[in-house]
Amino acid sequence: EPEVTQTPSHQVTQMGQEVILRCVPISNHLYFYWYRQILGQKVEFLVSFYNNEISEKSEIFDDQFSVERPDGSNFTLKIRSTKLEDSAMYFCARGTSQDYYEQYFGPGTRLTVT
Amino acid sequence: AQKVTQAQTEISVVEKEDVTLDCVYETRDTTYYLFWYKQPPSGELVFLIRRNSFDEQNEISGRYSWNFQKSTSSFNFTITASQVVDSAVYFCALSDPRSNDYKLSFGAGTTVTVRA
Repeated sequence: EPEVTQTPSHQVTQMGQEVILRCVPISNHLYFYWYRQILGQKVEFLVSFYNNEISEKSEIFDDQFSVERPDGSNFTLKIRSTKLEDSAMYFCARGTSQDYYEQYFGPGTRLTVT
Repeated sequence: AQKVTQAQTEISVVEKEDVTLDCVYETRDTTYYLFWYKQPPSGELVFLIRRNSFDEQNEISGRYSWNFQKSTSSFNFTITASQVVDSAVYFCALSDPRSNDYKLSFGAGTTVTVRA
C-alpha cells in the first residue's frame, strides 16, 4: 500500500503564530485532502486539492487556511494565525489515479496551540 | 447532504466475543461508496474496506465481516472472536463519487475496548 508521510508528527505553537504542516505523497497521486480531528471527535473534511488547485473546501477552511504544492511533491497546509480551537490532529490523505475514491491517510500531525 | 450515523459510542467486550458495529447512512444519490477505517490508540487512520452502492454482497476478511443492506441504508461491521489488538475507534464513512473530489463524510466513531 503506497504511503503518505506527514511532518512534523507533533507541533506545539503559541496562539497567533503561523504553522505549516507538510504531507509527502507518492508522485502518481492526483487527489490530496486535508482532514481535521479535534480530540475525541469525528474526522472532518477541510479541503481537497486536484491538479494543483483547490477542488473543494469546507466551511471550516476559512481565510486562515491555505494549501499549496510548492515544489510539485510536498503538499502543505498553512494556518496563518493559529487559535486555540485549531488544536487537533491534521490528516493528509491521497487518492491515486487508478483509484481516486479510495483514500489512504497519513499518520497525522498533532497540532497543539497554547 | 450526506450523513453517517454511528449510534454506538462505546462497546466493551471480553476477548473472543463477537462485536458488531452499526453504521447508518443518508444520501440522495444512487451511486456512492462506503468505507470503514480503524483508528488504534496510536492515532493513525487505517483503511479497512470500501464498498460501492451497486455491490450488496457481504464480505469477509479473516475475522472481519461486513453486512451491506441498501434497503435499510446500513453498512455494519462485525469482528469475530475479538482480540485485545482490536481495541480502537472505528469510523464509518461515505463518499459521493459525483462530487468533485470524492471527499469523505465520517460518522462519529465507535470506541471498541476488548478486555483480556
